[in-house]
Amino acid sequence: DVKVTQSSRYLVKRTGEKVFLECVQDMDHENMFWYRQDPGLGLRLIYFSYDVKMKEKGDIPEGYSVSREKKERFSLILESASTNQTSMYLCASSLFRVNQPQHFGDGTRLSIL
Amino acid sequence: SQQGEEDPQALSIQEGENATMNCSYKTSINNLQWYRQNSGRGLVHLILIRSNEREKHSGRLRVTLDTSKKSSSLLITASRAADTASYFCATLGLLRGAQKLVFGQGTRLTINP
Repeated sequence: DVKVTQSSRYLVKRTGEKVFLECVQDMDHENMFWYRQDPGLGLRLIYFSYDVKMKEKGDIPEGYSVSREKKERFSLILESASTNQTSMYLCASSLFRVNQPQHFGDGTRLSIL
Repeated sequence: SQQGEEDPQALSIQEGENATMNCSYKTSINNLQWYRQNSGRGLVHLILIRSNEREKHSGRLRVTLDTSKKSSSLLITASRAADTASYFCATLGLLRGAQKLVFGQGTRLTINP
């Protein structure tokens, strides 16, 4: 089974801090994704990557950056955390081929105080 | 950009009954996927139906797709307490060469013992 592991289930940080969320997948998937999930807004795509060192903006990239130095690891960076970035963050991965499902991690619930 | 929209937003039934959730979308699709999310956890892929398929089964799950009406339904038969979760439909589009899933708001399903 595919395993997508997010480094923290819960995280509390302060406004202005630089925050790193890590995601690792063990199935050699080309695609990796970062979403945030908020009540009433559903899942929104922040960034995705289809290859090492490649990244593409999703629907809401402002205030975030990403890093993919190795195929299995995709990091989300909050450059200067703000309270409106308090959310549930979900990482996912998939094969590059068409008609493939995405496999999700358990999420990181991030609170910015 | 909201693509899939689930109906109803919430559903509460007795254990053993069947649960039906509906999803409508706006544009042409390559495939439609259904996911489940238990409270506070990540999403789990349930079933994928391609645009040239009309019905698909997986255990107690039955998914139908009507591309002329741009709608899909998920039927869970003989529901169990463990089926209590949120269910999301997601449609696939291509964004800058990579597969992008667009999720609906989800249906919260509660199975009462």
